[in-house]
Amino acid sequence: EPEVTQTPSHQVTQMGQEVILRCVPISNHLYFYWYRQILGQKVEFLVSFYNNEISEKSEIFDDQFSVERPDGSNFTLKIRSTKLEDSAMYFCASSELAKNIQYFGAGTRLSVL
Amino acid sequence: AQSVTQPDIHITVSEGASLELRCNYSYGATPYLFWYVQSPGQGLQLLLKYFSGDTLVQGIKGFEAEFKRSQSSFNLRKPSVHWSDAAEYFCAVGPSGAGSYQLTFGKGTKLSVIP
Repeated sequence: EPEVTQTPSHQVTQMGQEVILRCVPISNHLYFYWYRQILGQKVEFLVSFYNNEISEKSEIFDDQFSVERPDGSNFTLKIRSTKLEDSAMYFCASSELAKNIQYFGAGTRLSVL
Repeated sequence: AQSVTQPDIHITVSEGASLELRCNYSYGATPYLFWYVQSPGQGLQLLLKYFSGDTLVQGIKGFEAEFKRSQSSFNLRKPSVHWSDAAEYFCAVGPSGAGSYQLTFGKGTKLSVIP
C-alpha cells in the first residue's frame, strides 16, 4: 500500500538554526499538508499546498516557515530560525483531491535545544 | 470556525470489553468526519471516515462509528477490545469547503487496555 514517507524520524537542532523536514507524498496525490503536534496537545494544521503554491495556512505558519516542492516527489518544510517552542512532532500528509482522505506520514520529531 | 471536542482524555477498559469513544463537532454544514489512531511513536492511521450516506460506517480493525446529525456526534465503537488497540484516538472534521483543506482535530482520547 502506498504511504507517505518522512525523513528524518528525529531531528535535534540548536535554537536559531535552520531545519528542513522532508516528505515524499503518495505519488498520484495532488494536495500536500503539514501539521504539527506539540507534546501532549492536539494535532494542528500548518499549511496546505497545491499546484506549486500555498492554498491555505494557519496563524502558526509565520514568516519563519516555508514549504517547497523542489522536484516531482519531495515536499519540504523549512523553519528558518528555530525556537524552543518549535519542538514538536511534524506530520506530512497528502490527498488525491482537496476533499479526499488525507494520508499521514509517521512524523518527524523536532527537538530544539 | 469548525471545532472538535473529545470529552474523555483517558479511558481504560478490560480486554474483551466494549468501547465507545465520544466525539462532538461544531460545523456549519454537513461535515466530513474522520477517526485516526496513533500508536506510540507512530504516525496517524485512518480508522474510518464519513462523507455522506449511511450514517453507520465501518472501519479497519473492527471499529465502527455512527454519525448523528441531531447530536453533532461521531462516536467510535468497538464491541470487543484487544490489547493491541491501546493507542491514542483522534476525531477530526474537514475540509470545510471551497478554499479550505485543513483537518481540525480533537485533543485525542488515550485508550489503555487491561489484560
